[in-house]
Amino acid sequence: GEDVEQSLFLSVREGDSSVINCTYTDSSSTYLYWYKQEPGAGLQLLTYIFSNMDMKQDQRLTVLLNKKDKHLSLRIADTQTGDSAIYFCAETHTGKLIFGQGTTLQVKP
Amino acid sequence: DVKVTQSSRYLVKRTGEKVFLECVQDMDHENMFWYRQDPGLGLRLIYFSYDVKMKEKGDIPEGYSVSREKKERFSLILESASTNQTSMYLCASSLIGGMRDEQYFGPGTRLTVT
Repeated sequence: GEDVEQSLFLSVREGDSSVINCTYTDSSSTYLYWYKQEPGAGLQLLTYIFSNMDMKQDQRLTVLLNKKDKHLSLRIADTQTGDSAIYFCAETHTGKLIFGQGTTLQVKP
Repeated sequence: DVKVTQSSRYLVKRTGEKVFLECVQDMDHENMFWYRQDPGLGLRLIYFSYDVKMKEKGDIPEGYSVSREKKERFSLILESASTNQTSMYLCASSLIGGMRDEQYFGPGTRLTVT
């Protein structure tokens, strides 16, 4: 079945760039998403990319999509302590979302 | 703004109890979803609903049931709670044909079964 994979943990220093990677299996996905979950909270949509795009930039966030390799990445420039959270990659499949395991981003001052 | 609310943030129940988790959304969304979130496993879909009185099994429906009597409300029921159902439960909603198929999430209910 459809699967989305992420590494579980990433630690960076404040001010550095963070890159969170994701691989997926469903080549028919229309959209791919990054959700952010802050401690004790639900998930919020951080950004998304349409499947016919290669890149999307939104302020400090850059999403790169390699459809051939089914690889999605999220780059956070100038990472701040407030970026500490769990980041979930997700793809659409028949109206449902398939989520990765989530990557915990730790930002050290 | 879309608002999805869940009836409890924290819940402690005993093994064998019947447990009701309630979710309400205020944006007239047709789709509603229940997930459970466990460390290292991400979000797994339990049940979803595309309309009132309609339900579909997700990936892990065993031990759960749902009810959708009104469009804005989607309830998750644990008929006989077990310790392996200790988890974070997240509700979400989305619009059929909505832009980006975006799902909006509630804050979650952390359920502990002892």
